[in-house]
Amino acid sequence: DAGITQSPRHKVTETGTPVTLRCHQTENHRYMYWYRQDPGHGLRLIHYSYGVKDTDKGEVSDGYSVSRSKTEDFLLTLESATSSQTSVYFCAIGRDGNTEAFFGQGTRLTVV
Amino acid sequence: AQSVTQLGSHVSVSEGALVLLRCNYSSSVPPYLFWYVQYPNQGLQLLLKYTSAATLVKGINGFEAEFKKSETSFHLTKPSAHMSDAAEYFCAVRMGGNEKLTFGTGTRLTIIP
Repeated sequence: DAGITQSPRHKVTETGTPVTLRCHQTENHRYMYWYRQDPGHGLRLIHYSYGVKDTDKGEVSDGYSVSRSKTEDFLLTLESATSSQTSVYFCAIGRDGNTEAFFGQGTRLTVV
Repeated sequence: AQSVTQLGSHVSVSEGALVLLRCNYSSSVPPYLFWYVQYPNQGLQLLLKYTSAATLVKGINGFEAEFKKSETSFHLTKPSAHMSDAAEYFCAVRMGGNEKLTFGTGTRLTIIP
């Protein structure tokens, strides 16, 4: 498995609270991605990063922010969690913009 | 813009039968195409990838896919299904030079004993 660690693996939080998910890689890959997976929607890109402090939005970025202060860490923050953000969140990494992405094990987030 | 369509959200085949999972893509430039597999409560694992070398691509676990530009398709096949193939399969596309990887909605494969 690619060296990707997501934390926490499971979290239950209340509506309106901020939540931060962490992705840590040991592969020194340039690209890092956050996806959410929902039944019937497949995986949808939230945000991605192409270097330290370089990030861009994906197709479902509203309500989420990201930060990448080090190559190995990519944080996803839900500024004020809502029930619609209940999902499984996957981090992925890629060596460059043309090759495959490698996925972490996912974080199951429940907003009550 | 790039997109991918997977036909059939659920596919059932008998053990030993041919597996065919369909994927059609849309891309304004030559694409890179991928198939991933996801087992329950796990992340996605790369099965195979097309990056403009050979049009017939062989992957892990006996799967292969053929890139057909004229049909804008990248269907996944396996000659003989095994019980361990039961999983969800995702097709994904990346246009050359585009950093974003776009996924289809997935196909859940069930194997009938």
